[in-house]
Amino acid sequence: GAGVSQSPRYKVAKRGQDVALRCDPISGHVSLFWYQQALGQGPEFLTYFQNEAQLDKSGLPSDRFFAERPEGSVSTLKIQRTQQEDSAVYLCASSFRDRSYNEQFFGPGTRLTVL
Amino acid sequence: AQTVTQSQPEMSVQEAETVTLSCTYDTSESDYYLFWYKQPPSRQMILVIRQEAYKQQNATENRFSVNFQKAAKSFSLKISDSQLGDAAMYFCAYRRMDSSYKLIFGSGTRLLVRP
Repeated sequence: GAGVSQSPRYKVAKRGQDVALRCDPISGHVSLFWYQQALGQGPEFLTYFQNEAQLDKSGLPSDRFFAERPEGSVSTLKIQRTQQEDSAVYLCASSFRDRSYNEQFFGPGTRLTVL
Repeated sequence: AQTVTQSQPEMSVQEAETVTLSCTYDTSESDYYLFWYKQPPSRQMILVIRQEAYKQQNATENRFSVNFQKAAKSFSLKISDSQLGDAAMYFCAYRRMDSSYKLIFGSGTRLLVRP
């Protein structure tokens, strides 16, 4: 595809359910980022992949959050036992190379609502 | 830790007029990047303009320009000849130049454009 795609665009979960959010980066992009954007706030970093290696997961808020990118392309962000405070938009971004400057291209995000 | 502050939750501008959005940041690094991103209601984060800290010349992209004051750690965005399509959330962001590639965002400024 021409850009970063994310699915689903909207997800409603009951508290305690597990959810999986998918990100398809731009083909050939080495770096992949996940951000969490709470309502009325700026995005906050969650985790970073270079190819299949998860190099930084310092932003994951708890051990209920898990991300993977097994083949260095598609990535999945999984949230176990969802809680109301997990309600947010989850943004994925990818960039071409692992250098100091490469533009991060963002997907449209997945809006997660936990009831 | 680096922080980014946007003190204007909302700004309003008349179509065809000029508006300036403010951003301050805090870092102990000497080299870094600064960005302005636009996020329309579709949620797709779009890069508007970027500035390398080692460059003294302010960046310009068509109707968008920045006023970068490194000593004051200030990075404002000026939008000239405002258009209805400029209405969106605008986020200021910081990024280190080394291997920490995450973006650190401010809380955003909502720009309203009056016809």
